Amino acid sequence: GESVGLHLPTLSVQEGDNSIINCAYSNSASDYFIWYKQESGKGPQFIIDIRSNMDKRQGQRVTVLLNKTVKHLSLQIAATQPGDSAVYFCAENSGGSNYKLTFGKGTLLTVNP
Amino acid sequence: GAGVSQSPSNKVTEKGKDVELRCDPISGHTALYWYRQSLGQGLEFLIYFQGNSAPDKSGLPSDRFSAERTGGSVSTLTIQRTQQEDSAVYLCASSFRLNEQFFGPGTRLTVL
Repeated sequence: GESVGLHLPTLSVQEGDNSIINCAYSNSASDYFIWYKQESGKGPQFIIDIRSNMDKRQGQRVTVLLNKTVKHLSLQIAATQPGDSAVYFCAENSGGSNYKLTFGKGTLLTVNP
Repeated sequence: GAGVSQSPSNKVTEKGKDVELRCDPISGHTALYWYRQSLGQGLEFLIYFQGNSAPDKSGLPSDRFSAERTGGSVSTLTIQRTQQEDSAVYLCASSFRLNEQFFGPGTRLTVL
């Protein structure tokens, strides 16, 4: 079956640097993508989403880029802070489902002070 | 308002026992989801409820797993005859708009 995967399982950055977390997806029918942040002992928290008719979307300190040609999704965090340390998951609406999400395994981001 | 709540936060049980996990969604959210998260893994879809429609149970791993949602609000996930491989964090989410899911803190289940 098709699945969402991540290029890097761990990422360590210095406080103040920019972080980039990558995700590959293989289901070309998926048209909605989400990034979640999960801190230790908590449930995932919505960060930002993007639909397939867009290639870039910006939020507060975060930007999501979507490259449909190579089926690649990335999350950029500007001026990374210690509070950004968490596991980041990308998710896709499985094959265009209007409710079922398929999650990647996650990337652990560690921000060093 | 309050977010999604789950209880208990932690549950330790013996192999073969039944367990019930509870989810209280955000008031007004019509959709409710259960996921399972094993250590170091992503989220595995289990079941989806939407209003009065028949639930999508396609993610339930075996017939030992069942879930119900009463009155379109509170949901209970039941695992019968628990096995050690059932040990995981069980997450509940609810949404009003499709795709924007709000997650609870999860129940950590440990089967000894």
